[in-house]
Amino acid sequence: ETGVTQTPRHLVMGMTNKKSLKCEQHLGHNAMYWYKQSAKKPLELMFVYSLEERVENNSVPSRFSPECPNSSHLFLHLHTLQPEDSALYLCASSLTRMNEQFFGPGTRLTVL
Amino acid sequence: AQSVTQLGSHVSVSEGALVLLRCNYSSSVPPYLFWYVQYPNQGLQLLLKYTSAATLVKGINGFEAEFKKSETSFHLTKPSAHMSDAAEYFCAVSEPDNYGQNFVFGPGTRLSVLP
Repeated sequence: ETGVTQTPRHLVMGMTNKKSLKCEQHLGHNAMYWYKQSAKKPLELMFVYSLEERVENNSVPSRFSPECPNSSHLFLHLHTLQPEDSALYLCASSLTRMNEQFFGPGTRLTVL
Repeated sequence: AQSVTQLGSHVSVSEGALVLLRCNYSSSVPPYLFWYVQYPNQGLQLLLKYTSAATLVKGINGFEAEFKKSETSFHLTKPSAHMSDAAEYFCAVSEPDNYGQNFVFGPGTRLSVLP
């Protein structure tokens, strides 16, 4: 473990469900990130938070809603997802946006 | 804006053979460069980083990479592959002089190690 934890590790949900992914970092970092990793596709940066302020939203559908209540916690709220949203969702943190990112183990999401 | 290319989405080597994974970048300013490894169903783990000090960088698990400005490259090498090296490898670049610029990851190279 790298100091970034994610829960749950696995999640199966129906298209009408609402669920949340949680990320927590214990590294004293100021930036946090959500990535989506689908099979045979490059890593997709979804959201970036710096000092608890969202600084980037890469054209992510509104069915994904991030929340950063403090510098240690990051959530991804999910609602009315589609099967194509099934993927590994990775959280990362870094001291600043130019520094190396430390990743959590990911949440494997399956949308039925 | 910076970008990263990784030549070869899949590389196979025999156990004990040299590992060479290629990374080329483009950047408008002197970059920071990184290599990450990802094992199945896990997050990415930092292997090594270049931040404008020595051009030859040693990382974990016997890997090293050399920054070559003239070739805009940062290739990853390991003298002798081990079965446990089989994983996905990502090169990444950031621009420290351009505050607010993101990390950019390459598309990744899957390394297979044959017995």
